[in-house]
Amino acid sequence: DQQVKQNSPSLSVQEGRISILNCDYTNSMFDYFLWYKKYPAEGPTFLISISSIKDKNEDGRFTVFLNKSAKHLSLHIVPSQPGDSAVYFCAASVLGQGGSEKLVFGKGTKLTVNP
Amino acid sequence: DTGVSQDPRHKITKRGQNVTFRCDPISEHNRLYWYRQTLGQGPEFLTYFQNEAQLEKSRLLSDRFSAERPKGSFSTLEIQRTEQGDSAMYLCASSSTGGSEAFFGQGTRLTVV
Repeated sequence: DQQVKQNSPSLSVQEGRISILNCDYTNSMFDYFLWYKKYPAEGPTFLISISSIKDKNEDGRFTVFLNKSAKHLSLHIVPSQPGDSAVYFCAASVLGQGGSEKLVFGKGTKLTVNP
Repeated sequence: DTGVSQDPRHKITKRGQNVTFRCDPISEHNRLYWYRQTLGQGPEFLTYFQNEAQLEKSRLLSDRFSAERPKGSFSTLEIQRTEQGDSAMYLCASSSTGGSEAFFGQGTRLTVV
C-alpha cells in the first residue's frame, strides 16, 4: 500500500519557467513533509520541508504548499534552472517505535529542465 | 566534510557471501537510520537507532540482516548469505532529536551476482 504517491514519473520544463511537482498521501497521521532531490548514484539531498500546521513554506526559489484536507502537497520551483534536473522525492514523517521519525517516500518524479 | 559518510560506495559480491557496510553520521546527531532503495522506488525504511539502542526494525529486515551502532557513533549493516534480491542502494541517514530533517549519505550500491 503506497502511502505517499507521486503520480508523475517525469516532468519536463523550459529553463526559467515554473516546475510544479505533486504528491498525495493517504495517512492522516503524517505530521511533517519533506522534499528531497537526488542525483544519480548519490544519496538524497534535503531540499525543503513543511509542518502539517502550516500550508506554505518558502526558501528561495523553492516553495512547498500543503493542502491537508486534500492530503496533497506540491513543490514549486521558480525559476527552473538546468541544474535542478534530478529526481525529486516527496517524503512524509511518521512517529515510530522508540521515537523514530522514519520517512515514508514516494517513488519520485524525474525533473528535466531544458536550456 | 561533516556530512554523513558511507563506505564502501560500491560492493559486488557473489550470492551466499556476507557483506558489511559502514555509516558515519553527522557527529552531533544521535538518531541514525538505514534505508534501502531499489530501482524505480523511493527509499524504504529498514531500521532506526537512537544513540546505541536499536529501537525499531522494519519487517523488510529479515534474519539475514543485522545492524549495530556501538557507542552511539558509527553504524554497521551486515547482510549474511546474500541473495540476488538484496541488490539495492543502501542509504544511511542521521538527524538530531526533535529534528525531522534527515541527512543522507551517498549510499552503498550492492550488486549480488
